[in-house]
Amino acid sequence: GAVVSQHPSWVICKSGTSVKIECRSLDFQATTMFWYRQFPKQSLMLMATSNEGSKATYEQGVEKDKFLINHASLTLSTLTVTSAHPEDSSFYICSASLGRDTTQYFGPGTRLLVL
Amino acid sequence: AQTVTQSQPEMSVQEAETVTLSCTYDTSESDYYLFWYKQPPSRQMILVIRQEAYKQQNATENRFSVNFQKAAKSFSLKISDSQLGDAAMYFCAYRSRNYGGSQGNLIFGKGTKLSVKP
Repeated sequence: GAVVSQHPSWVICKSGTSVKIECRSLDFQATTMFWYRQFPKQSLMLMATSNEGSKATYEQGVEKDKFLINHASLTLSTLTVTSAHPEDSSFYICSASLGRDTTQYFGPGTRLLVL
Repeated sequence: AQTVTQSQPEMSVQEAETVTLSCTYDTSESDYYLFWYKQPPSRQMILVIRQEAYKQQNATENRFSVNFQKAAKSFSLKISDSQLGDAAMYFCAYRSRNYGGSQGNLIFGKGTKLSVKP
């Protein structure tokens, strides 16, 4: 149980375009979902936290207009990287939490390369 | 603010032997959770073990066990009978029990890269 999927797993896009990444909890309802970014050989950096039906909470230094997060249902959250630039190239990981349960279950990640 | 420190950037262990990964944390809270996550080359984060701070008993999961020293704010991971598949980055993480403004965020250490020699 507690499986989280991400789509796509790999995406290459041109600079200036927008990219949407989906995060789904497959066998449970996730009240809270988290979005992380991971640079090579580094730890995970929390970008934002989203609760179903409400606006996401962004960490300091993360541009909310650039990284749009929508958590429209208890099983789906999306991260849209708007007007992507090469510096946005990274590994993006989502996780989902069973409400007040303490364990976060992670998706397999999405590699984004902006040319 | 809470912090998590993993002082060993890299560790190596011989197959079938035992290795211990260190983790210390800093917090003023008395109730919280601690986790070890494994990230193999596929980069999928996998939960290894979880410890609740109010429980004195150390958590164990098969070959994985922790040494939780609350007073010392130490949370080390012991891997027994190491296998080639254990090779990965290991991240220690802290999570407050009281949601408050943090909404249950995980605070990660910088990770320890574990190599397993055949």
